[in-house]
Amino acid sequence: AQKITQTQPGMFVQEKEAVTLDCTYDTSDPSYGLFWYKQPSSGEMIFLIYQGSYDQQNATEGRYSLNFQKARKSANLVISASQLGDSAMYFCAMRLYSGAGSYQLTFGKGTKLSVIP
Amino acid sequence: DSGVTQTPKHLITATGQRVTLRCSPRSGDLSVYWYQQSLDQGLQFLIQYYNGEERAKGNILERFSAQQFPDLHSELNLSSLELGDSALYFCASSVSADRSTNEKLFFGSGTQLSVL
Repeated sequence: AQKITQTQPGMFVQEKEAVTLDCTYDTSDPSYGLFWYKQPSSGEMIFLIYQGSYDQQNATEGRYSLNFQKARKSANLVISASQLGDSAMYFCAMRLYSGAGSYQLTFGKGTKLSVIP
Repeated sequence: DSGVTQTPKHLITATGQRVTLRCSPRSGDLSVYWYQQSLDQGLQFLIQYYNGEERAKGNILERFSAQQFPDLHSELNLSSLELGDSALYFCASSVSADRSTNEKLFFGSGTQLSVL
């Protein structure tokens, strides 16, 4: 079964420092998409960044970058220059073909990031 | 603002009751997904509709049902509610025909359901 593993329940980072949130995935399907979402305390799920399995370069979106290591099946999120507003839950997710013309997005358990002033 | 609207934001009800959660997708999005987020199970996919038709089912209980209307809004119906149904219910929509692994899902703010 395909799954997403986030091994860090919680992380602390000093403001203005960089932080890496870990994500490993398990699938035998060669085509998949990897996503990171942010969930602040207000509850909404905010899309951050996407990486396709065939993409040669690591994805970047502003202060967010995805360290994609396909052979290791890891898709770590790197946040540079942390800000207080980055304090939130972060979810890694994988989108796969699930049959009958449908694709499903499966989430990891999340990592709670706390930025310290 | 993702453009996905969910109502109500909070819902408090009693065991055995039935509730309806509503979702309006982003303009132009044809696919609607429902997810349940609880502390013990995390984010679980429930069901997906595409242009009015059920496309995929996940871990949805038989007490739960959903539909997508011609105007593309969707409703999730939860009946015979139990304490364990207390959770944050998300609706998400995606931009088009759901035929690729790079389809981004945009989430609403969720409906927090509390069953007392």
